[in-house]
Amino acid sequence: KAGVTQTPRYLIKTRGQQVTLSCSPISGHRSVSWYQQTPGQGLQFLFEYFSETQRNKGNFPGRFSGRQFSNSRSEMNVSTLELGDSALYLCASSLVSGGGQPQHFGDGTRLSIL
Amino acid sequence: DQQVKQNSPSLSVQEGRISILNCDYTNSMFDYFLWYKKYPAEGPTFLISISSIKDKNEDGRFTVFLNKSAKHLSLHIVPSQPGDSAVYFCAASVYGSQGNLIFGKGTKLSVKP
Repeated sequence: KAGVTQTPRYLIKTRGQQVTLSCSPISGHRSVSWYQQTPGQGLQFLFEYFSETQRNKGNFPGRFSGRQFSNSRSEMNVSTLELGDSALYLCASSLVSGGGQPQHFGDGTRLSIL
Repeated sequence: DQQVKQNSPSLSVQEGRISILNCDYTNSMFDYFLWYKKYPAEGPTFLISISSIKDKNEDGRFTVFLNKSAKHLSLHIVPSQPGDSAVYFCAASVYGSQGNLIFGKGTKLSVKP
């Protein structure tokens, strides 16, 4: 059974640009969550999508947005990139939302801002 | 304010002995707890979880204990193996918001042969 797939694995951008990251969940999983991992803040929740609707949102500025498609695949977009956005962005999927099911993570996209 | 705390940044254990990783939380609304293991350059791997209606859950060499009154959980690994060397994260969520996991900062476990 294929795991959570994130593309690309590595990305280098410059300040002011925008970026789109992609996540394909485990087959059959309908909930997708996004997290940002930095050395200082650790793993922080960005948002969760279920059935193409945003269910929860973390404490991040509006420059961070996402969406989910009918096949449960999800994308995350960051506009007007800042140096502080350099991080590992992780996507996780679970069968349902709010059902006490564990989330399974992809290997992440390493975003570097120059 | 950290809602999930792992106060030991690192732990070193001899192969074959027990590893005990600890986690404290402050939010009494948390009702689902998970442990993840992370190797460098990989995403976190789910290990084991526990619902707040239980106080113990076991899966092979891994056992998680939950003490709700103390707001404390621990992960026991018996016996420890060199392949267990990794960073371990404790995470928690509130019922209805399981898509939003609150993570601790992690404990780096080193198992020495």
